[in-house]
Amino acid sequence: SQELEQSPQSLIVQEGKNLTINCTSSKTLYGLYWYKQKYGEGLIFLMMLQKGGEEKSHEKITAKLDEKKQQSSLHITASQPSHAGIYLCGADKPGGSEKLVFGKGTKLTVNP
Amino acid sequence: DTEVTQTPKHLVMGMTNKKSLKCEQHMGHRAMYWYKQKAKKPPELMFVYSYEKLSINESVPSRFSPECPNSSLLNLHLHALQPEDSALYLCASSQEAGTQPQHFGDGTRLSIL
Repeated sequence: SQELEQSPQSLIVQEGKNLTINCTSSKTLYGLYWYKQKYGEGLIFLMMLQKGGEEKSHEKITAKLDEKKQQSSLHITASQPSHAGIYLCGADKPGGSEKLVFGKGTKLTVNP
Repeated sequence: DTEVTQTPKHLVMGMTNKKSLKCEQHMGHRAMYWYKQKAKKPPELMFVYSYEKLSINESVPSRFSPECPNSSLLNLHLHALQPEDSALYLCASSQEAGTQPQHFGDGTRLSIL
């Protein structure tokens, strides 16, 4: 079965700093999804990457998919306290699948 | 604001109680999901409904009984739960089963006494 490993597990940064979170798959990635979750709340969809080399940006968050490395990275520029939360990557199986597999998450703390 | 609405937000129940969790979406999605999330763990899939029919049951104990009355509503009926069932229960929906992204509700925090 496919496994997703996220690194780092947790990250503490000073406001204004840039940061990167990685998600590495044990198998070929056909679709990679980034979600953000605040404690005790639901998951907020951030971005979907479906092609090797694809890069998407939303406000100060950029995500890339490196198909060859079976890896995706999430980069936050000039972090703000509002970026704090748990970032989860998710992936599905080739051909589409009802089952979304998640990484264990990266907890981000942004100190003012 | 989330487009998937879950009620209640919090629920405390005894092991002999019967209660239900509710989920509603008005995005016209034809697939709906139930996930269970324990503290500091990622969500784990429980059930998938596609066009109001159960398509996946991830070997969930029968004390959890899902129901999809129509394309906008998804219920999770609870009976005789165990303390280890305490968790955050998340509902999600997507255009069709197997399509992404899934849109999640804010969850119901369930505590079993």
